[in-house]
Amino acid sequence: GAVVSQHPSRVICKSGTSVKIECRSLDFQATTMFWYRQFPKQSLMLMATSNEGSKATYEQGVEKDKFLINHASLTLSTLTVTSAHPEDSSFYICSARRRDRASEQYFGPGTRLTVT
Amino acid sequence: TQLLEQSPQFLSIQEGENLTVYCNSSSVFSSLQWYRQEPGEGPVLLVTVVTGGEVKKLKRLTFQFGDARKDSSLHITAAQPGDTGLYLCAGHPSRGTSYGKLTFGQGTILTVHP
Repeated sequence: GAVVSQHPSRVICKSGTSVKIECRSLDFQATTMFWYRQFPKQSLMLMATSNEGSKATYEQGVEKDKFLINHASLTLSTLTVTSAHPEDSSFYICSARRRDRASEQYFGPGTRLTVT
Repeated sequence: TQLLEQSPQFLSIQEGENLTVYCNSSSVFSSLQWYRQEPGEGPVLLVTVVTGGEVKKLKRLTFQFGDARKDSSLHITAAQPGDTGLYLCAGHPSRGTSYGKLTFGQGTILTVHP
């Protein structure tokens, strides 16, 4: 199978602090990883695309200085929410595109971020 | 405007009924995926279709990709409460500003009552 893990699964932080979320492809190499945000009962909204060894590409309206993305290896990408505010509270999901099957993306289990 | 229009957005049915979810676009997609997502979890890939006119079956689920690769449908036969969840279609546009990016429909929240 193609397994993607995310850590942590849930995090609560205080306003003004930063939070790092890790996304790992466990049994395959991922040339590209994606970060999504999802509000309750809604579809996924793409935030940014992360390629190994290069800068992330952010979607329109997503602040790159607020949502820092690092793709250090073919199996790990991190999303850091800096100076978090309550409106950043959401469900963040990463996905990884397989190097050998580019048409398929596999999703992590998501991270529930709550900013108090 | 939504590149992939998914309908209906909400579906509430009784166990044993059949249902169809549609995903339509004016754009051509090189491939299209269907995902199922449960609350608090990530989407799980159900199927990928790549050829126009392709039909794939997964137990009681039948997926079809339109001949022109602009639309797709998911049909569930004899729905069960365990089918309850959020169903998402997503595809890779063949061209345009979203080329190479997995684009999602709005999702269909399916509730199957016992």
